[in-house]
Amino acid sequence: QQQVKQSPQSLIVQKGGISIINCAYENTAFDYFPWYQQFPGKGPALLIAIRPDVSEKKEGRFTISFNKSAKQFSLHIMDSQPGDSATYFCAARSISSGSARQLTFGSGTQLTVLP
Amino acid sequence: EAQVTQNPRYLITVTGKKLTVTCSQNMNHEYMSWYRQDPGLGLRQIYYSMNVEVTDKGDVPEGYKVSRKEKRNFPLILESPSPNQTSLYFCASRLQGPSYEQYFGPGTRLTVT
Repeated sequence: QQQVKQSPQSLIVQKGGISIINCAYENTAFDYFPWYQQFPGKGPALLIAIRPDVSEKKEGRFTISFNKSAKQFSLHIMDSQPGDSATYFCAARSISSGSARQLTFGSGTQLTVLP
Repeated sequence: EAQVTQNPRYLITVTGKKLTVTCSQNMNHEYMSWYRQDPGLGLRQIYYSMNVEVTDKGDVPEGYKVSRKEKRNFPLILESPSPNQTSLYFCASRLQGPSYEQYFGPGTRLTVT
């Protein structure tokens, strides 16, 4: 049972365009939503994260939009650059439940930004 | 340099031949875990450890063992590897507590023939 569903599986964007990746979750106990960026041959690295008490978080060109009622969150990459080409994973975790369980990941989106 | 290291980075083996993938972190993190990454499935947790001598199953523990005898090391053991364990494996660590950033190792690509 996949608790975090991610789409699209792959995305091709022109340089300067906006990249949008969407995730939906089922477990209402989730209360921490990070996005990870993974380059070929590397492990995932934290890109940006949000708690559900805010609807949006922005760091540079990267923005997370969060819709608690719809149980959806998305990553927006503004002014996409070829260097942003990577695989992006959304994830979710329940912190308040006290569970020691780790993150539940989405299936990943391979982003290609064309020069 | 703060980091999580894994060895080997690449491994090709045959069915049934026991192997160990090592993981070590130099950040004094309490929490360590192992994931496998498969196309279309994202990362799935295999085992995790909250501290020395404390381990527990993740989502896909079948066919794997772990141990945590030292805080810095968390080896993954495949006692009788099978082809369905061909995958990309990541070790990760973080401090205990809410929303602490998780650091991943560089990955180990395992092929079982």
